Amino acid sequence: QVQLVQSGAAVKKPGASVKVSCKASGDIFNNYYIHWVRQAPGQGLEWMGVMNPRRGGTTYAEKFQDRVTMTRDTSTRTVYVEVSSLTSEDTADYYCARGGQWLDTATFDSWGQGTLVIVSS
Amino acid sequence: DIQMTQSPSTLSTSVGDRVTITCRASQSISNWLAWYQQEPGKAPKLLIYKASSLQSGVPSRFSGSGSGTEFTLTITSLQPDDFATYYCQQYSTYPYTFGQGTKLQIQ
Repeated sequence: QVQLVQSGAAVKKPGASVKVSCKASGDIFNNYYIHWVRQAPGQGLEWMGVMNPRRGGTTYAEKFQDRVTMTRDTSTRTVYVEVSSLTSEDTADYYCARGGQWLDTATFDSWGQGTLVIVSS
Repeated sequence: DIQMTQSPSTLSTSVGDRVTITCRASQSISNWLAWYQQEPGKAPKLLIYKASSLQSGVPSRFSGSGSGTEFTLTITSLQPDDFATYYCQQYSTYPYTFGQGTKLQIQ
């Protein structure tokens, strides 16, 4: 069974950076993409971007283009999202999710448990 | 970016009721539309993909329909576990975008 296990909650000061990890089980690196979605308290879901773990390619939402970096470590099957220049508006739950490489399977059928990031002085 | 608009934002309803949630896309997305259910404090769960295909393990009281720009999620005979927030998502093109959510409340 595919599982995505994320790192624990983090508290950061404004202006700092945060790096959230997502460790995948199964053969996800060869056959799936990893997406990142965030959700501010009491708000809806916001897609941040996607990584192809096998090739390392990424696509970011324009809103996050300048502040978000997605990377991976193939040896540990872990994907990372780093958000820089944090403000209070970045306080949110951050989720990784698995999506297929083709449109027929592109929906997010498996999610991590979420990582709460709090930005506070 | 493709904008997704859900209605209503909240719905007060009762166990046993039939519920319909609407999702509109700002441009045609063919049938590349998914529905997710999110309970408080949990990750979203995929219910429907390709507008009308039921994800494995999801009860048959959930169904989806539509294509192009208009889509609906229908839940027949609401159960206590169904009181949650529902999101539509288009995955036709990047950036993937979600509707703002519809919260089902107990009347």
